[in-house]
Amino acid sequence: GAGVSQSPSNKVTEKGKDVELRCDPISGHTALYWYRQRLGQGLEFLIYFQGNSAPDKSGLPSDRFSAERTGESVSTLTIQRTQQEDSAVYLCASSVRSGSYNEQFFGPGTRLTVL
Amino acid sequence: KNEVEQSPQNLTAQEGEFITINCSYSVGISALHWLQQHPGGGIVSLFMLSSGKKKHGRLIATINIQEKHSSLHITASHPRDSAVYICAVVFMDSNYQLIWGAGTKLIIKP
Repeated sequence: GAGVSQSPSNKVTEKGKDVELRCDPISGHTALYWYRQRLGQGLEFLIYFQGNSAPDKSGLPSDRFSAERTGESVSTLTIQRTQQEDSAVYLCASSVRSGSYNEQFFGPGTRLTVL
Repeated sequence: KNEVEQSPQNLTAQEGEFITINCSYSVGISALHWLQQHPGGGIVSLFMLSSGKKKHGRLIATINIQEKHSSLHITASHPRDSAVYICAVVFMDSNYQLIWGAGTKLIIKP
């Protein structure tokens, strides 16, 4: 596809369940970011992947959150034992990285609702 | 501390008015984005700039590196411009992550 895609677009889950959110970056983009936006708040950085380097996990809010990326392709954000405060739109972005900053392109987001 | 401040937080205007949204940041940056977020949550990048001025249609973005300030202008505003506009910066000492302003909720009335 031409852009960043995310799935599912909407996810409703019960408190305590685990969820997986998927991001397919633009082909050839080596950098991938996860952000989240809780209702009425700004976006928060969660995690950053760059090629085969160790990811920057500094934004993950708790150890219930984890993310993986296979090479320079798909990434999965996993939230274990979901809580109501995890309800948010989770956004993925990708960019070309060549030693300097490059524009990030955003996916449509996954709206997560924890009941 | 790396901070981004936007103003105003909310802006309501009549169709046709000239709109200005401001963004200030605390330390040196590599780049600044202006983004548009519609009620459904999708985000569209309007501009990425590191100096000077860019124009696209009725939208103009300017940045003053010395003053650490950027503005987004909308000329001949239209109700379809109603959205949240977000300023996001990449600070020089960061891992290229975007630091977001709180956003400006713009409503253009017909």
